[in-house]
This record gives sequence, structure tokens and C-alpha cells, in this order.
Amino acid sequence: NAGVTQTPKFQVLKTGQSMTLQCAQDMNHNSMYWYRQDPGMGLRLIYYSASEGTTDKGEVPNGYNVSRLNKREFSLRLESAAPSQTSVYFCASSYGTLQETQYFGPGTRLLVL
Amino acid sequence: GENVEQHPSTLSVQEGDSAVIKCTYSDSASNYFPWYKQELGKRPQLIIDIRSNVGEKKDQRIAVTLNKTAKHFSLHITETQPEDSAVYFCAASFNDYKLSFGAGTTVTVRA
Repeated sequence: NAGVTQTPKFQVLKTGQSMTLQCAQDMNHNSMYWYRQDPGMGLRLIYYSASEGTTDKGEVPNGYNVSRLNKREFSLRLESAAPSQTSVYFCASSYGTLQETQYFGPGTRLLVL
Repeated sequence: GENVEQHPSTLSVQEGDSAVIKCTYSDSASNYFPWYKQELGKRPQLIIDIRSNVGEKKDQRIAVTLNKTAKHFSLHITETQPEDSAVYFCAASFNDYKLSFGAGTTVTVRA
């Protein structure tokens, strides 16, 4: 099992460009999450999907959109990137609610110039 | 939402000594408190968690305590080893799918 995978590993964007971060899990998990991690601020939830076909906002959703493509895949889209979106993005999944172990992907490092 | 404060931000301990990290939370409805370890350049990994109906939980050299009345919880690492050097994050749930994380504690174990 690969667990949770993310692509790309690293990306540089110019302000105003768009891109999609991809995430996939092969653990048959129902719930998937997108976080961003900034220095000194821990992880902050951007969006989550409790089950296939549903998505909900987290703590910092502005400037992002998500798609739960199927049970395995959950993508994060930046429509018009801003320097404030420079961060490390982690995807995670869990079988059910958070009270079951949440597994993280390796992260995507994004730099917006 | 939930607000989680974590202290200290950095902690240096001698190998073999104990390390303690403390967190406080604001939402009395929070009922799940996980701790994650993140090594440099790696993903966060769950190391231990505790639910609101339990006061203490141990797993080998790590333990977590929860005081619901005071709204604080702590991570205790005993007999620290060099491989315990990492950033540790506490978190508290404020619904079934939302976790609020502390800012992290960088633990350095000196040989």
C-alpha cells in the first residue's frame, strides 16, 4: 500500500497563476482533508470531505476550491495564486471521523512569487 | 472554532531525561485530543491520542494526560532518546472532522 500520495512535491507559481494539487489514498478511507502548514502556526484545515460526494470548509478556505473526484482522490485548486498561499500543503485521510487515525501524505511545497 | 495554545515552543533536554509539553484549549465541547510528531522534512504522524472520557493514556515511553475541567492536556516523554528529536503538535477536535492544532514544540534531545 502506498498510503496517501501527493503530487507535485514542489511547485513554483507566479502571482495570478492557477494550479491543482492532487491527492490519492489507497486505504479505502471515507474521509479526506487538506491542510496548510506555515512556520510557527501548526497545521490549519482548508477543506475536508467526510465522504465521497461531500465537501466542507475548514478554518482557512478562502482562495481555494476542492473536488472529491471519487473515493480515492481529493484535489485542491488555487484559481489565482497569491504570495500568502506560499506554504506546505498536506493531504490526509481517515477511515471515518477524526477519532480514527488520520494519515498524512508527504506534502507539497508551494512557492508563489 | 477551537483555539489551542501550546507551550513551550522549544525544548532542549538531556538524553535520558523527561520532556513535557502542555496544551490548553478553549472549546469545552472538544472530545478528542491527538498528538503528532513531525521529523524535519517529513509528514506528521500520530503518536498518541486521548478521548474526553479518559484522564491518562500510556504507550511505552509516552503518556498523555487530560484535565477537562481546566481544559488542558499534556504530553510526557520519559527516558528521551536522540530519535525523539522532532516537532510535536497537539490538537483538539471541535467537530467530528475538524482539528485545531497548536503551533508546535521543537524538541531537541542532547546526547
